[in-house]
Amino acid sequence: QKEVEQNSGPLSVPEGAIASLNCTYSDRGSQSFFWYRQYSGKSPELIMSIYSNGDKEDGRFTAQLNKASQYVSLLIRDSQPSDSATYLCAVNPEGGSYIPTFGRGTSLIVHP
Amino acid sequence: GAGVSQSPSNKVTEKGKDVELRCDPISGHTALYWYRQSLGQGLEFLIYFQGNSAPDKSGLPSDRFSAERTGGSVSTLTIQRTQQEDSAVYLCASSLHGTGREQYFGPGTRLTVT
Repeated sequence: QKEVEQNSGPLSVPEGAIASLNCTYSDRGSQSFFWYRQYSGKSPELIMSIYSNGDKEDGRFTAQLNKASQYVSLLIRDSQPSDSATYLCAVNPEGGSYIPTFGRGTSLIVHP
Repeated sequence: GAGVSQSPSNKVTEKGKDVELRCDPISGHTALYWYRQSLGQGLEFLIYFQGNSAPDKSGLPSDRFSAERTGGSVSTLTIQRTQQEDSAVYLCASSLHGTGREQYFGPGTRLTVT
């Protein structure tokens, strides 16, 4: 069974700090990886996608992928209270199946 | 441009009644997904439509659940003989085929079965 694991948290960081969110996955052949942000009572919102090993930066967000170690992480620089949300990691399996497996999410709290 | 829309936003129904939930995907998106999210829980995949292909129904929890997608666009999720355990937020997402499957979610329908 394909699994995507995330620490449920909450991860608490002070405003201005770097928040580091991690995700591990079991399907070694997975090809594409996504981070979604979900505010309480709202639906998930795509914030990052990454397909190859290394880092991908978009504003204050950096996604990091290491396929050999089967983990993907999300760094949020200069964290703001508005970043407080649950962050979902999603992994697309190999073989052309486009049904992603979602992790349970990590709750992030950024306190002033 | 317009995002994914879902209706109704909230639905309260009595146990045993049938309900229909609607999803209107982003124009041009050929892939459409239905998920369920219970309070404090993760996303549970229900069904996946891709273009005119047969849907992947592998996530439907029972035969009380069905879905259709008409004309490759709007989708309806039907739950027959609702049970209290069906209470959840039902989320629809669409994706542009061949772009890595980034999904764009609608606002969801909160279903409460009393």
